[in-house]
Amino acid sequence: AAGVIQSPRHLIKEKRETATLKCYPIPRHDTVYWYQQGPGQDPQFLISFYEKMQSDKGSIPDRFSAQQFSDYHSELNMSSLELGDSALYFCASSLGTPRETQYFGPGTRLLVL
Amino acid sequence: GQQLNQSPQSMFIQEGEDVSMNCTSSSIFNTWLWYKQDPGEGPVLLIALYKAGELTSNGRLTAQFGTTRKDSFLNISASIPSDVGIYFCAGIMIKAAGNKLTFGGGTRVLVKP
Repeated sequence: AAGVIQSPRHLIKEKRETATLKCYPIPRHDTVYWYQQGPGQDPQFLISFYEKMQSDKGSIPDRFSAQQFSDYHSELNMSSLELGDSALYFCASSLGTPRETQYFGPGTRLLVL
Repeated sequence: GQQLNQSPQSMFIQEGEDVSMNCTSSSIFNTWLWYKQDPGEGPVLLIALYKAGELTSNGRLTAQFGTTRKDSFLNISASIPSDVGIYFCAGIMIKAAGNKLTFGGGTRVLVKP
């Protein structure tokens, strides 16, 4: 079965640079979630989209923005990168109905030097 | 701050042993999910629970949704070496916008030396 696809899998950036992470949800899933996981931490919710509209917002810095496109893929744009942004970034997708299970992608490991 | 208290934080297993972990919260959750995460990979869904009191099995895994909707446990029977990893509970509070996951701190399952 098709899973959530994330690209790139690994990314190295310098401080103050920008980064764009991409997420392709499971086919027919219309909801996308972004999570950030620091070393030894549990994933923290950043932002979600349902039918191309932002549906919820968590602890996402103002330097980050995201959107969901007409084909339901999503991009997380990160600007003015800081050392503390180094983390695993996961995308998850689900059908939009309440209580529907979220399936995670393999993640993008971002390292900011 | 973290709303789900997951315990134990870590445990050592010997092949063939049964393993238990649980999550508790002061808040009510409408859905409980259990994930397993290997290093550098995305969380993989193990079991989803949607109804208070629900007991669900997936192979050697059994999980229950507490009747108060504030807790859940996961049991692994007859553990094998590939059960090593980090197990996360996650809950969803249903609200009008978004079904973000709130994660527990994780239980790190290790093999006894």
